[in-house]
Amino acid sequence: NAGVTQTPKFRVLKTGQSMTLLCAQDMNHEYMYWYRQDPGMGLRLIHYSVGEGTTAKGEVPDGYNVSRLKKQNFLLGLESAAPSQTSVYFCASSLLGQGVEAFFGQGTRLTVV
Amino acid sequence: SQQGEEDPQALSIQEGENATMNCSYKTSINNLQWYRQNSGRGLVHLILIRSNEREKHSGRLRVTLDTSKKSSSLLITASRAADTASYFCATDEGGGTSYGKLTFGQGTILTVHP
Repeated sequence: NAGVTQTPKFRVLKTGQSMTLLCAQDMNHEYMYWYRQDPGMGLRLIHYSVGEGTTAKGEVPDGYNVSRLKKQNFLLGLESAAPSQTSVYFCASSLLGQGVEAFFGQGTRLTVV
Repeated sequence: SQQGEEDPQALSIQEGENATMNCSYKTSINNLQWYRQNSGRGLVHLILIRSNEREKHSGRLRVTLDTSKKSSSLLITASRAADTASYFCATDEGGGTSYGKLTFGQGTILTVHP
């Protein structure tokens, strides 16, 4: 049972380039989330999904897009990367959403130069 | 915006000692959760306490919640070197549109010396 798997683990982008981060979960969870973690700031929610085909904005959505075409996958896209998007990105999932624990992936460390 | 403020930002103790971390938050919540993050790894759920609970135990962990003061504490008893990690509190505001969205504090870095 792999849990939540993120691809890739590391990436370096040049300003203006685009990329997609993939999150896959094998726990049949309905709810999925993308967070970013910056030094001294904890985690902040970028986008989330409450089920296949749905997405919604979180606290810091600007510069990112997401898609949830399949229940098990949640993709985070950067259309035109900026240095301010240098961060560690975490995907999480939960079975019921409210009131239960979230399961996190191991993170993607992204550097935009 | 950060919901939680954690205190202290860093804590250094000897193996066998107890470690206490505190978390304060700003809005009403449905539940509060504590997570551990080892260096370079993802977050691992430790414990969840609901707004109608005051104290909860799990192994060497004890969590308290005071909703009147909007604060929580995490106590790790008889700490071990393997407890060295960052610890985060996260709040779930609940309500119809919560969907399990968590708001995290900035974390406490715990170092346990052998």
